[in-house]
Amino acid sequence: EPEVTQTPSHQVTQMGQEVILRCVPISNHLYFYWYRQILGQKVEFLVSFYNNEISEKSEIFDDRFSVERPDGSNFTLKIRSTKLEDSAMYFCASIRLDPGELFFGEGSRLTVL
Amino acid sequence: LAKTTQPISMDSYEGQEVNITCSHNNIATNDYITWYQQFPSQGPRFIIQGYKTKVTNEVASLFIPADRKSSTLSLPRVSLSDTAVYYCLVGDIRENNNDMRFGAGTRLTVKP
Repeated sequence: EPEVTQTPSHQVTQMGQEVILRCVPISNHLYFYWYRQILGQKVEFLVSFYNNEISEKSEIFDDRFSVERPDGSNFTLKIRSTKLEDSAMYFCASIRLDPGELFFGEGSRLTVL
Repeated sequence: LAKTTQPISMDSYEGQEVNITCSHNNIATNDYITWYQQFPSQGPRFIIQGYKTKVTNEVASLFIPADRKSSTLSLPRVSLSDTAVYYCLVGDIRENNNDMRFGAGTRLTVKP
């Protein structure tokens, strides 16, 4: 079965540094998402992306965050000037419209020190 | 997506049937109801989706009353491995899938 793959599985960074989290969505999916989950809390929507532009973003997705699909396969989340509170698991997802099923990757754990 | 309300947590024992109810009073005509399961340190995984009445697959059943203002995910004969968080999402995901937000979910704990 096709799957969404994410790298790295774990990244540790110093506060103020920039991180890039990478995702390879399922090849025939057209809609892509990033979610965040702080330990013990619910899955939080960050952003949706379609046709090479952001469709929707949440209040969490401030101007330190950006997404892009640089080469038609990878889908990246960049966080600039990381803060301690950015420490979380970040999940990438893509959607198959019929039946409207979200497929999630295994996540990238970000630790900001 | 429509606002949803679920119990925060539930406990059960191995072999029992578990029913988790989700309230969605402001469901729209074109909205579908989708349930996801999340194990610790993993991404959510699709379980089942329905529009009305009853849907059954190899994992679960989904019961939706005529007014569609709630839905019940039924897990038959749970095992320890069914311990997870269960989320319901309600929306017209085939036409408007820009905002796919999860609610707080229901944390199910299955005990031996």
